[in-house]
Amino acid sequence: ELKVEQNPLFLSMQEGKNYTIYCNYSTTSDRLYWYRQDPGKSLESLFVLLSNGAVKQEGRLMASLDTKARLSTLHITAAVHDLSATYFCAVDRPRRDDKIIFGKGTRLHILP
Amino acid sequence: KAGVTQTPRYLIKTRGQQVTLSCSPISGHRSVSWYQQTPGQGLQFLFEYFSETQRNKGNFPGRFSGRQFSNSRSEMNVSTLELGDSALYLCASSPGGRSQETQYFGPGTRLLVL
Repeated sequence: ELKVEQNPLFLSMQEGKNYTIYCNYSTTSDRLYWYRQDPGKSLESLFVLLSNGAVKQEGRLMASLDTKARLSTLHITAAVHDLSATYFCAVDRPRRDDKIIFGKGTRLHILP
Repeated sequence: KAGVTQTPRYLIKTRGQQVTLSCSPISGHRSVSWYQQTPGQGLQFLFEYFSETQRNKGNFPGRFSGRQFSNSRSEMNVSTLELGDSALYLCASSPGGRSQETQYFGPGTRLLVL
């Protein structure tokens, strides 16, 4: 059974600091997604990582994928208050049943 | 381009009733996916439609069904509503398929089952 674990589940940090959110998954997959959700709002797709070693960056966010370690990271550089949100990772099982499984989300609170 | 729209935005139903939710994708997008979000179970994949065909389905009972029309608009139906069906239902569209491309999400439909 595919399981997706995010760490930490809650993170409070100061503006200007760097931090990393981790997403581990339990079985083989080579597609991983990151989403952002603001309180009471819908989801926003951030990154689609399709292969081992993939790295994508958008502004202060950078995501990477290591399929051998079954690990993806979302790195935040010099955090700003506007990045406060809940971040979800999700994993696909393309060679099995093509179902996407989500992590529980990391609630990020950036203090001004 | 207009974004993904979902109707209605809010809905209150009672147990045993049925409900139909609608999703209009971005023009030109042929893939529509549906997701359920609850405080207890988190985000869960319901199903994906592409060119009027269901591509795959999550682990939900048969009470949850969907369809897609020739204009790519999609509907999701839940029959015999249960309290646990109270959730935020999100749909997302993409040009060719959710697994390869960025998806664009609608604002969601909040369903409350009493």
